Amino acid sequence: GQQLNQSPQSMFIQEGEDVSMNCTSSSIFNTWLWYKQDPGEGPVLLIALYKAGELTSNGRLTAQFGITRKDSFLNISASIPSDVGIYFCAGPLIQGAQKLVFGQGTRLTINP
Amino acid sequence: KAGVTQTPRYLIKTRGQQVTLSCSPISGHRSVSWYQQTPGQGLQFLFEYFSETQRNKGNFPGRFSGRQFSNSRSEMNVSTLELGDSALYLCASSLVGSGDYEQYFGPGTRLTVT
Repeated sequence: GQQLNQSPQSMFIQEGEDVSMNCTSSSIFNTWLWYKQDPGEGPVLLIALYKAGELTSNGRLTAQFGITRKDSFLNISASIPSDVGIYFCAGPLIQGAQKLVFGQGTRLTINP
Repeated sequence: KAGVTQTPRYLIKTRGQQVTLSCSPISGHRSVSWYQQTPGQGLQFLFEYFSETQRNKGNFPGRFSGRQFSNSRSEMNVSTLELGDSALYLCASSLVGSGDYEQYFGPGTRLTVT
């Protein structure tokens, strides 16, 4: 079935560094969602993208909808300790259906 | 606005038993989706309910079922529990609207089957 592949699977960075991660698919998506999950909690929606080429920011986070519609990117600037967690990309498996498929996640660890 | 709430947060059951999990969506959200999260398989879609009807279903056996009430609250049931059903069960709610896929998750119910 459709899969979303996230890269990298894990990142170990220093506080203050910028972070880049991406999500790719073999199929076209018309919507990309980025979530962050803290241990023992549910995913929190960070950014939603609806248009190819769209660039959307949420504070220090910026996400882009790839022009091929088969990828999306998430950047975090000037990382801080509370950015630690697992970041997931997601998209609707079927256009028009509330049925999301998720990537396997990028685990971010920050050394103070 | 209050977020999505799920009860209970933690549950321990024995193989063969059944379990019911509850989810209250964000006020005004009429769509409720359920996901299973495991270390091996990640986040997988179970089913989605809207207006008390199951609209979409994932690839899970019939032991997994759900329902939605007129106030949009939802429950999911797992019968004849297996060890492999141990997981974090997440509920997400969303506004109804074509092209709107933003789902908001609850904290989850951690189910352990022994």
